[in-house]
Amino acid sequence: AQSVTQLGSHVSVSEGALVLLRCNYSSSVPPYLFWYVQYPNQGLQLLLKYTSAATLVKGINGFEAEFKKSETSFHLTKPSAHMSDAAEYFCAVSPLRGGAQKLVFGQGTRLTINP
Amino acid sequence: GAVVSQHPSRVICKSGTSVKIECRSLDFQATTMFWYRQFPKKSLMLMATSNEGSKATYEQGVEKDKFLINHASLTLSTLTVTSAHPEDSSFYICSARAGGDIQYFGAGTRLSVL
Repeated sequence: AQSVTQLGSHVSVSEGALVLLRCNYSSSVPPYLFWYVQYPNQGLQLLLKYTSAATLVKGINGFEAEFKKSETSFHLTKPSAHMSDAAEYFCAVSPLRGGAQKLVFGQGTRLTINP
Repeated sequence: GAVVSQHPSRVICKSGTSVKIECRSLDFQATTMFWYRQFPKKSLMLMATSNEGSKATYEQGVEKDKFLINHASLTLSTLTVTSAHPEDSSFYICSARAGGDIQYFGAGTRLSVL
């Protein structure tokens, strides 16, 4: 079984500051890991994904995440926050192989950018 | 990138009526579609997985007779909320997978039951 824990339901940073959104996962099999972003009243947009290739994954909008197996973590970072980054961010896990590739989502982290 | 269209974006209905939500993959064939429910300020809860031409697989605790799912073609899945009640009010989101490892999400449908 897979599960995801996102530490911090709300993160607030200043414009231009480092963004760090934490995600820890639990999986009995090698996982795929994803970060999605959701803007108000919209669906989810894929930011990046880890699928057992390079452990440092670069995504859209300047975001990246690093898969650390020893820490069972997949934290999302961005060096310099923009106002447009304000949104809800979800970390998700699914089994690497087999099954229906169901996604299990974390609770979400709301990112607020202060001017 | 792949586009998933969900319609309607918002629907208001009276208690006891049924509401149908459509999810279409516009530029790819979706072997599998998923239906999620999202409560305010909460995460997405998977309701069911549907494969074209077969019965949907519902998650534990989701009423099959309440939430009817039809996946009649490789580009269309529908979710019908039958005899809707105020507690069914929520944000419903569909996603579609073309066979790879990425799910593409629709923009969601906000259902309000009066």
